[in-house]
Amino acid sequence: AQSVTQPDIHITVSEGASLELRCNYSYGATPYLFWYVQSPGQGLQLLLKYFSGDTLVQGIKGFEAEFKRSQSSFNLRKPSVHWSDAAEYFCAVGAGNTGTASKLTFGTGTRLQVTL
Amino acid sequence: NAGVMQNPRHLVRRRGQEARLRCSPMKGHSHVYWYRQLPEEGLKFMVYLQKENIIDESGMPKERFSAEFPKEGPSILRIQQVVRGDSAAYFCATTQGGSGPNEKLFFGSGTQLSVL
Repeated sequence: AQSVTQPDIHITVSEGASLELRCNYSYGATPYLFWYVQSPGQGLQLLLKYFSGDTLVQGIKGFEAEFKRSQSSFNLRKPSVHWSDAAEYFCAVGAGNTGTASKLTFGTGTRLQVTL
Repeated sequence: NAGVMQNPRHLVRRRGQEARLRCSPMKGHSHVYWYRQLPEEGLKFMVYLQKENIIDESGMPKERFSAEFPKEGPSILRIQQVVRGDSAAYFCATTQGGSGPNEKLFFGSGTQLSVL
């Protein structure tokens, strides 16, 4: 069975500092990997996704993530954080061999706090 | 083009009552996924429906929970005889279909169910 681990429950960074959110997955085949952001009281918004090809994926809002098969990781990065980035971030894996990428397994999330 | 609409946003029920959660997909979307988010946890897949058909209900509790997506109207997630443990945020997500990289999932803002 597939699983996703986000080891950091809370992270606090200063505005303008760099950010890296960790995500490790467990899946037997080539996974579909996603990062979503959830603001309070809102649904999830897709930041970026990886299916194949270039292992460095660019997303919206200046985020990027790198797929490292050898480490089973898909860490999310941003070079300079803005106060509006404060939110909950979820990593997710989809079963790439079922014909649908939308039955997702989510991690427990990382809550990002940004100090001014 | 309206997004995925869920209502109500907040639903309060007493133990033993029924809860009905509605999800209206984006225009042109015929695939609906329901996810549940318990406090301090990530989203958990519940059920996947296409118009008039349940495709995958492997994440649904065996009792009291049911889902439908009729030919006309919204998808409904029904919880009978609610218990306190049902208190959670319920999200639906919809897609046009397709597979793999072509499938783009859009989330609603969720229904927060509180059971007293």
